[in-house]
Amino acid sequence: GQQVMQIPQYQHVQEGEDFTTYCNSSTTLSNIQWYKQRPGGHPVFLIQLVKSGEVKKQKRLTFQFGEAKKNSSLHITATQTTDVGTYFCANFGNEKLTFGTGTRLTIIP
Amino acid sequence: DVKVTQSSRYLVKRTGEKVFLECVQDMDHENMFWYRQDPGLGLRLIYFSYDVKMKEKGDIPEGYSVSREKKERFSLILESASTNQTSMYLCASSLEGQVLTYGYTFGSGTRLTVV
Repeated sequence: GQQVMQIPQYQHVQEGEDFTTYCNSSTTLSNIQWYKQRPGGHPVFLIQLVKSGEVKKQKRLTFQFGEAKKNSSLHITATQTTDVGTYFCANFGNEKLTFGTGTRLTIIP
Repeated sequence: DVKVTQSSRYLVKRTGEKVFLECVQDMDHENMFWYRQDPGLGLRLIYFSYDVKMKEKGDIPEGYSVSREKKERFSLILESASTNQTSMYLCASSLEGQVLTYGYTFGSGTRLTVV
């Protein structure tokens, strides 16, 4: 897979605030996957995006793939305590997944 | 539900020891992977395998080897453990041709400390 940079590394938000994490690549990506890892847990597959400009929603989570397919974002509306964890983007290429560095989300009740 | 089971949740080993980390999946997945996870570095691929007795180097294979004698089992071997191999090790599996639909399924991880 292609190298993807993910920002921010950490994010602390008040419960009820929105949260966004971004993945960026210097080259065009064929796809992006998103995973969530709860504290003490393991990464769990959330979704994959393959089309330019694609937007997918899962309840309060909105996933977007950029028009140029060089970036992606995950936006959470009105965060809840159950959203805590680390969110990773990943690119599948050359028969393997290459992960971003992750964004660790902390919720302040 | 696919289950990926890692034999140990926590492991403490001494420098120079040979260490075996075991991973078993129960859904007949062809593909298996070993990653290590370190703060600020995300998940980095060590080795992967697409079939029995087959292995491919990932991005950071130095100091590691693997074994896949049976389809369901993929072992990671630290030939001579060093303190810089202290990390969380995650095993994953996937169904051939289905990664874009279902992603990888991960085990719960083994937190290895080398002293």
